[in-house]
Amino acid sequence: QPVLTQSSSASASLGSSVKLTCTLSSGHSSYIIAWHQQQPGKAPRYLMKLEGSGSYNKGSGVPDRFSGSSSGADRYLTISNLQSEDEADYYCETWDSNTHVVFGGGTKLTVL
Amino acid sequence: EVQLVQSGAEVKKPGESLKISCKGSGYSFTSYWIGWVRQMPGKGLEWMGIIYPGDSDTRYSPSFQGQVTISADKSISTAYLQWSSLKASDTAMYYCARRVAWGAFYYFDYWGQGTLVTVSS
Repeated sequence: QPVLTQSSSASASLGSSVKLTCTLSSGHSSYIIAWHQQQPGKAPRYLMKLEGSGSYNKGSGVPDRFSGSSSGADRYLTISNLQSEDEADYYCETWDSNTHVVFGGGTKLTVL
Repeated sequence: EVQLVQSGAEVKKPGESLKISCKGSGYSFTSYWIGWVRQMPGKGLEWMGIIYPGDSDTRYSPSFQGQVTISADKSISTAYLQWSSLKASDTAMYYCARRVAWGAFYYFDYWGQGTLVTVSS
């Protein structure tokens, strides 16, 4: 079954860019993932679906500042022109026919 | 507009039963899986189970199998998460989310606002 690994924390300055990583376990490098954002005290929000090819589809209303890319087993979420409201927890998610739902541990992003 | 609206916060005592709900609107409720996700205070997201309201096919995470019951009433576009005997360790925020398919893969694309369950004597 797939395992998703995320760094526990990241930080970047207001107005800069940050690239968050979600790594798929061995044997699962072709898997599609989804990125979700959870701002403090709020429900998660779907950001995008991201394929191994790097092709991504964003959810309704997700700003252009958010983009996705892939390299091998790594799936990236890049946030450009960081805003204060981007300070949040970011989770990746994937699927497997046996385990059905798999979440990464989440990355806490701090905007300095 | 797709919406998932969950029932309100609950405060219960250990041993009590509870059923919380998630009402879908703005889409064909019977055509998409609905999942339940737990988030304990200060922790990450944990998948509990999913249900397909069209035929009530239900799958549970091994961590939650036997601990909760997931059901749905398609006539009112509502999914449920139920406990028969709550424990203090069930204190958490619970989210429902809609599951969408992309080829052979599935992922959550809409989330409810969450239901806070507090279990305390």
